[in-house]
Amino acid sequence: AQSVTQLDSQVPVFEEAPVELRCNYSSSVSVYLFWYVQYPNQGLQLLLKYLSGSTLVESINGFEAEFNKSQTSFHLRKPSVHISDTAEYFCAVTSNDYKLSFGAGTTVTVRA
Amino acid sequence: EAQVTQNPRYLITVTGKKLTVTCSQNMNHEYMSWYRQDPGLGLRQIYYSMNVEVTDKGDVPEGYKVSRKEKRNFPLILESPSPNQTSLYFCASRTGRLNTEAFFGQGTRLTVV
Repeated sequence: AQSVTQLDSQVPVFEEAPVELRCNYSSSVSVYLFWYVQYPNQGLQLLLKYLSGSTLVESINGFEAEFNKSQTSFHLRKPSVHISDTAEYFCAVTSNDYKLSFGAGTTVTVRA
Repeated sequence: EAQVTQNPRYLITVTGKKLTVTCSQNMNHEYMSWYRQDPGLGLRQIYYSMNVEVTDKGDVPEGYKVSRKEKRNFPLILESPSPNQTSLYFCASRTGRLNTEAFFGQGTRLTVV
């Protein structure tokens, strides 16, 4: 079985500053990794995913995440955040048992 | 539009009164699941279904039931709700392939008093 640890529960950040959300996973088999975002009073939306190939994956709204197999990490970054990036972010992992396991979430609050 | 639809969005009920939260998807997905979201705990899987008539327990199944009589529907049943089941519930669906993402409903906020 796999598990996910998000190392920061709350990340306050100023507008236009960079942000990094840390995610580590544990699994004994090959994994697929995802970042989901949850805006206030909404469901979860896929932000980006790592399936195979290049270890750096990007989203359409400026986020990127790097898969590091040796460190079992999948950290999420954005070089310059906007007020609209205020949300809760979840790292998730799945492997050959189909189960999608989530971390506890990181709340990002962007201040002007 | 591809979507997962949950109903109701909000529900307040009393202890012991049976309730059902419906979930429907229009993407012909094989795999469906229910999660509950609680502060500081992330999303925890309650039950999942690999296909019609195939269901299994997730991490926190106590106090819940599910059924999968049709591919598109996956209702969550609370036979005798208790206050510790007050939570935000999400239904999700995905294809039968591992390398695909899950699609989530808008959530159902349940309060049991």
